Amino acid sequence: SQKIEQNSEALNIQEGKTATLTCNYTNYSPAYLQWYRQDPGRGPVFLLLIRENEKEKRKERLKVTFDTTLKQSLFHITASQPADSATYLCALDFRNQGGKLIFGQGTELSVKP
Amino acid sequence: GAVVSQHPSRVICKSGTSVKIECRSLDFQATTMFWYRQFPKQSLMLMATSNEGSKATYEQGVEKDKFLINHASLTLSTLTVASAHPEDSSFYICSASGSSYNSPLHFGNGTRLTVT
Repeated sequence: SQKIEQNSEALNIQEGKTATLTCNYTNYSPAYLQWYRQDPGRGPVFLLLIRENEKEKRKERLKVTFDTTLKQSLFHITASQPADSATYLCALDFRNQGGKLIFGQGTELSVKP
Repeated sequence: GAVVSQHPSRVICKSGTSVKIECRSLDFQATTMFWYRQFPKQSLMLMATSNEGSKATYEQGVEKDKFLINHASLTLSTLTVASAHPEDSSFYICSASGSSYNSPLHFGNGTRLTVT
């Protein structure tokens, strides 16, 4: 069965540093991968989408890479701020199934001032 | 941007009662809506996919007679937890997708259900 793994340990970093979160998957070849941010007690909010034929995508301080050989995506937040503290979820699509997404368990990021 | 409204945000009910959760897309037509459940510190688990005007497609292990989904219009889907029990206590989140195959999902803010 498909398996998606994100860093299970919470990530604690100092303000201003770059946070790097990992998403690994097995037994699957997604057409695209998405990253979401979730704050406590709230629904996820879409951040970035990267397609299988794209190596890297950027949006402001965010960068996502997608290595289909390694079956891995990395999510980077540069110049991190305490407001970036949240849980970050990666999600993979199911091809030809109407956009259904399967989520990883998320990585909790804490940025200390 | 696209907005999905979910109501209620929090509900506490006694065991055996039924609870209805509404999910509305406010500024776009959602051909497909998805219902997820999330336990503390765990991932979102897809429960069912709902298409307007047709029966929902449930994921393996999700009881369709327990979690009743109705998608009556392009802007409204409802999830009814029938005869809720304490083990049904969870965070339920809906999401909606527009017409594009690889559109990002727009999520509601979730419903915290507590069954006593």
